[in-house]
Amino acid sequence: QSVLTQPPSVSAAPGQKVTISCSGSSSNIGNNYVSWYRQLPGTAPKILIYENNKRHSGIPDRFSGSKSGTSATLGITGLQTGDEADYYCVTFDSSLNAGVFGGGTKLTVL
Amino acid sequence: EVQLVESGGGLVQPGGSLRLSCAASGFIFSNYWMTWVRQAPGKGLEWVANIKGDGSTRYYADSVKGRFTISRDNAKNSVYLQMNSLRAEDTAVYYCARVAYVDEGFDSWGQGTLVTVSS
Repeated sequence: QSVLTQPPSVSAAPGQKVTISCSGSSSNIGNNYVSWYRQLPGTAPKILIYENNKRHSGIPDRFSGSKSGTSATLGITGLQTGDEADYYCVTFDSSLNAGVFGGGTKLTVL
Repeated sequence: EVQLVESGGGLVQPGGSLRLSCAASGFIFSNYWMTWVRQAPGKGLEWVANIKGDGSTRYYADSVKGRFTISRDNAKNSVYLQMNSLRAEDTAVYYCARVAYVDEGFDSWGQGTLVTVSS
């Protein structure tokens, strides 16, 4: 059971928009920054968003991040088949004194 | 160009030990926290441990506390993960990652090294 809760899967059609949620608590998301990663099968994860809403270098503005209270959201617009991947949120938990990942969300572009 | 290259993975029996290494290049290594992240086969990512640039502070996941030790040698631009009392559930690909942004924002990852704990 992950400390951060993500939906196991989401899906949408090409060109559409999708959001992926990441729910935590005051000891993690509520008081710390959230990052988002994309992982293609058999490869290392790659960063998309850091510090809640900042896009990493080279990441198109189709990707956005937001945070409200103890939840964070990754948004992807203009979906492409190449966006099919697993997406993870992560932050630091000040009570556990450890990093914590969400369980991951598999995005399917129908 | 930032590069992280892990090594040291392999097959080990339950109760055994293994030491992973991550060689870094392309940046001032001592300026960065470094983290180990693992991924069991078919499962999600799990944060394992991190260490401050000067080695003075380290944090561990509860699942490895007391069994794993993270360390670094800034003269060799390397970070290590000493894994003792290994269990079947430690079987995973282990990645090292550079912490570039606050609260575990990893901008660079290695390719991973596979650790298999089995008799």
